[in-house]
Amino acid sequence: AQKITQTQPGMFVQEKEAVTLDCTYDTSDPSYGLFWYKQPSSGEMIFLIYQGSYDQQNATEGRYSLNFQKARKSANLVISASQLGDSAMYFCAMREDSSNTGKLIFGQGTTLQVKP
Amino acid sequence: EPEVTQTPSHQVTQMGQEVILRCVPISNHLYFYWYRQILGQKVEFLVSFYNNEISEKSEIFDDQFSVERPDGSNFTLKIRSTKLEDSAMYFCASIGDRGQRGYTFGSGTRLTVV
Repeated sequence: AQKITQTQPGMFVQEKEAVTLDCTYDTSDPSYGLFWYKQPSSGEMIFLIYQGSYDQQNATEGRYSLNFQKARKSANLVISASQLGDSAMYFCAMREDSSNTGKLIFGQGTTLQVKP
Repeated sequence: EPEVTQTPSHQVTQMGQEVILRCVPISNHLYFYWYRQILGQKVEFLVSFYNNEISEKSEIFDDQFSVERPDGSNFTLKIRSTKLEDSAMYFCASIGDRGQRGYTFGSGTRLTVV
């Protein structure tokens, strides 16, 4: 079974608009972390935002916010005021804290294109 | 800001040849990882390394793969006899403590097997 599911292979958004990228996860571990990474066409993996399973508030980092709905097991990334430079692949990832290795499990990714 | 450095950025090799991908993690980090991304697909975990030994490996990480940290700074991934399907981007990552939030990824090595 998929542990991290990103159901949107591709998304378009108009510049300056907000966009939500979906991520659902599956774990029985009570303690886990959720991450979003951006991968531009140059290929590097850029950390965007982190949400811990016990965090009371949704994480925010500048224009990025994470809509964390624990009961629904979703961790959607919201990008406000989209910019052309936001065009990239976006990956949701999870770390299960019962793992003694700290490995990340990634979703399939969503390609975001920002239109001028 | 500290970086994870990977070399080379791109390597082309003949099928059946051995390749060594190199990584220099952040100096005070303790946990090290290799991930693989076949073009356009998701990032897949290969192996984790802690305290000078493998702590976990995935099904992908078969006998053709090995890792080592020979000198306390470099962290290498060796593929003994490359296959066409090994063509991918390989990322090294490190973190100071596995409960932390900030994994730092290197910029990757694109391996092309011909």
